[in-house]
Amino acid sequence: QKEVEQDPGPLSVPEGAIVSLNCTYSNSAFQYFMWYRQYSRKGPELLMYTYSSGNKEDGRFTAQVDKSSKYISLFIRDSQPSDSATYLCAMKKGQGAGGTSYGKLTFGQGTILTVHP
Amino acid sequence: DTAVSQTPKYLVTQMGNDKSIKCEQNLGHDTMYWYKQDSKKFLKIMFSYNNKELIINETVPNRFSPKSPDKAHLNLHINSLELGDSAVYFCASSLRPTTDTQYFGPGTRLTVL
Repeated sequence: QKEVEQDPGPLSVPEGAIVSLNCTYSNSAFQYFMWYRQYSRKGPELLMYTYSSGNKEDGRFTAQVDKSSKYISLFIRDSQPSDSATYLCAMKKGQGAGGTSYGKLTFGQGTILTVHP
Repeated sequence: DTAVSQTPKYLVTQMGNDKSIKCEQNLGHDTMYWYKQDSKKFLKIMFSYNNKELIINETVPNRFSPKSPDKAHLNLHINSLELGDSAVYFCASSLRPTTDTQYFGPGTRLTVL
């Protein structure tokens, strides 16, 4: 079983829809949670970065972390065709983890999203 | 200006050859990483250097050897290439290893024939 599970999709929605993307994880040592967006044949770019549980909003994007359920979500409001990409969740252990975990990002498989006009 | 750059962008080579991929960052970061993304888009860390010191060395075949000549550069040398090495290799950097955001390069698409 992978440490981070993410449904690869693909997910297809009409323009203007609310998109919900999710990841579950098994390691309670994860403290930092990220969402990256990756366009075809490009490198991942950071969308959202949160520490521990709670919500964070940035424009049309909202990230939620529920550490008790080991579940994170990314919501995209008013989705646009330009949002079509692969969305990767990623997690990192806290500073106390040290050793070989030092800075290591563990990624989900990525969800392929298509927003059609 | 490109923050994290990689060369080459595409690399097609025969099995058994040796090849190198270069990475440079102009962000002034102390930490750099190599990731491998397979055909199913699964991204997995291979190595990390902090101030030219190796701090992460995942279970990667010995044929892969990273080298960091200075804080701004991290190269990846691969000996005796195998079909299974075909993937996209991403370099990334962050200010520090623990709490800071990692910025990714554009990737090097390696195809081994």
